[in-house]
Amino acid sequence: NAGVMQNPRHLVRRRGQEARLRCSPMKGHSHVYWYRQLPEEGLKFMVYLQKENIIDESGMPKERFSAEFPKEGPSILRIQQVVRGDSAAYFCASSPPAGAANQPQHFGDGTRLSIL
Amino acid sequence: QKEVEQNSGPLSVPEGAIASLNCTYSDRGSQSFFWYRQYSGKSPELIMSIYSNGDKEDGRFTAQLNKASQYVSLLIRDSQPSDSATYLCASRPGVSGTYKYIFGTGTRLKVLA
Repeated sequence: NAGVMQNPRHLVRRRGQEARLRCSPMKGHSHVYWYRQLPEEGLKFMVYLQKENIIDESGMPKERFSAEFPKEGPSILRIQQVVRGDSAAYFCASSPPAGAANQPQHFGDGTRLSIL
Repeated sequence: QKEVEQNSGPLSVPEGAIASLNCTYSDRGSQSFFWYRQYSGKSPELIMSIYSNGDKEDGRFTAQLNKASQYVSLLIRDSQPSDSATYLCASRPGVSGTYKYIFGTGTRLKVLA
């Protein structure tokens, strides 16, 4: 499968636990973006990463949320001490580096996070 | 203040008709615009991208961009029930150094058989 791979597809956590969401970009893509979607709402940008660098984290809450995209392995979105309001669909997208300004982003199937 | 605005709908059109979806944006520096289709519970799927003023056609889809009016639209000709979905408009802000997208809240389209 050459698409953007996200796992897990569904994740259930209790309040106070940690959630780790993973994203492997499409082959040849080195730009990764994380978005959050609440029910009946559009996608809200969270963070944009390139390998080993956070380029833009303007949409990510300052507390409890962090993201990384290591040299090897998938990008990780980490949410510590989850609260009910973190329940949402989290989508990862990727794009190639060449002419990234006009390269469309391709989305994975998302992780549906439910907080009990 | 929202940066990309869409009518939430639902927009209902009969099968075979033209569906017209509209989007306005506030950042005059935005250069790139995208339409995504999202079925309920699924991921957004790229339909069209447009960067220059005017029309861009791809099969049954036509995207239109008017930068002076800060307006983007998507026309779907010969609408089919399978086109029933939420259509998301996205712009890439004019700020350099970031390639994030700003999405509208989406317009729900219903094509009636």
